[in-house]
Parts: sequence; structure tokens; C-alpha cells
Amino acid sequence: AQRVTQPEKLLSVFKGAPVELKCNYSYSGSPELFWYVQYSRQRLQLLLRHISRESIKGFTADLNKGETSFHLKKPFAQEEDSAMYYCALRGGSARQLTFGSGTQLTVLP
Amino acid sequence: KAGVTQTPRYLIKTRGQQVTLSCSPISGHRSVSWYQQTPGQGLQFLFEYFSETQRNKGNFPGRFSGRQFSNSRSEMNVSTLELGDSALYLCASSHQASGANVLTFGAGSRLTVL
Repeated sequence: AQRVTQPEKLLSVFKGAPVELKCNYSYSGSPELFWYVQYSRQRLQLLLRHISRESIKGFTADLNKGETSFHLKKPFAQEEDSAMYYCALRGGSARQLTFGSGTQLTVLP
Repeated sequence: KAGVTQTPRYLIKTRGQQVTLSCSPISGHRSVSWYQQTPGQGLQFLFEYFSETQRNKGNFPGRFSGRQFSNSRSEMNVSTLELGDSALYLCASSHQASGANVLTFGAGSRLTVL
């Protein structure tokens, strides 16, 4: 079975401060990991995926297989980063994404 | 290019009724997945269709069903509605041939069951 845990339901940081949204997963094989974001009154959209190893809007995420984590990081948070962030996993032959419960990030001015 | 389109955007039903939701994927996308989003359970996978065939199904009762047409448009149906079926139903499409399997989501259909 595959499982995604986002331990923080709510996270607040000040503008310009670093931010880290935690994501831990449970899966015995090699998973595909994703971060999706939902801004206020907008649809859920892909932020980044681990296979791309890219930085989007200043965010990065590294897959740590030893710690089974895929934390999302940004060195300097901006107010426009305020949104709901979901970590998601797809493993093996399973075609569906398993989502975490989400973290609501608020960047304070 | 047009995104994933879901209709209706909002609807209100009463217990015992049935509902049909529609999803038009991005042009060229042949895979359509459905998710239920609620405050308590978060995003839960319902089913996935590809080339008119259901390829995967989540852990939902048989009251939840779906289908896909030859033009890749998909519908999901919920029969004998219960209060707990109130949720945002999200449809997502992907271009399987790309190998990336990145889902593009629609805006959702918000169902309220009274």
C-alpha cells in the first residue's frame, strides 16, 4: 500500500523567510513524487515532480529515499506563495496518484 | 489550448437522487481520472479511464460509476446520493503517450447533497 503524510495542516511564515513543507511517503518500491498547488479560487496544478529535478517559482524538492521524504523548500517566501500544497505519489503499476492531506501555507507580510 | 472542462460547476441534489458529472479532457489526452475532494478525507481517487476502458478503480462503493466515450470525454455517475457524497469532484486528464503522466485538473464540480 502507498501512503503520503503531510504532518503540517497549517504553516505560516513571514515574507522573505525560508519555508519547508514536509512530505513523507510509504512505498516499498521506487515511487514518482509530485507537488501540486492550489491557489485561492484556482484549480489544482502541478508545481514540480522529482524526476524533473527542476526549480519552479523558486521551489525545489529532493527525493530522499533513505528517509522516504520529498520535502518542498524555498529559501525566500513570497506573499503570492500562499496556497494549499499537496504532495502526491505514484508507485509501480498503480496508475493513480495518492495525495497527502495538504498543507495550507500562509506567507505573512 | 483549452484546459480540462467540467460541467456542471455547482449542483444541489437531495438524498436518494442520482447525479451525472461530465468532463472534457484536454484535446489529445486520452486518459481521464476522477477524484473526490472533501475537507475530511482530502483527495481520494475514484477511477481512471483510457480509451473507453476503466483501468483502475479506487475504494468507493458501487454507487459510483463512470464511463468514457470515443472522443475521450468522460462522465461519472453517483446513484442513491447520501449526505456524505457532498464534495468537490475533480477530473484530470493526461497524455499517456508522453510517459510523463502529469495530471492536468479541471476546476471541479461541487456537489451538495441535502
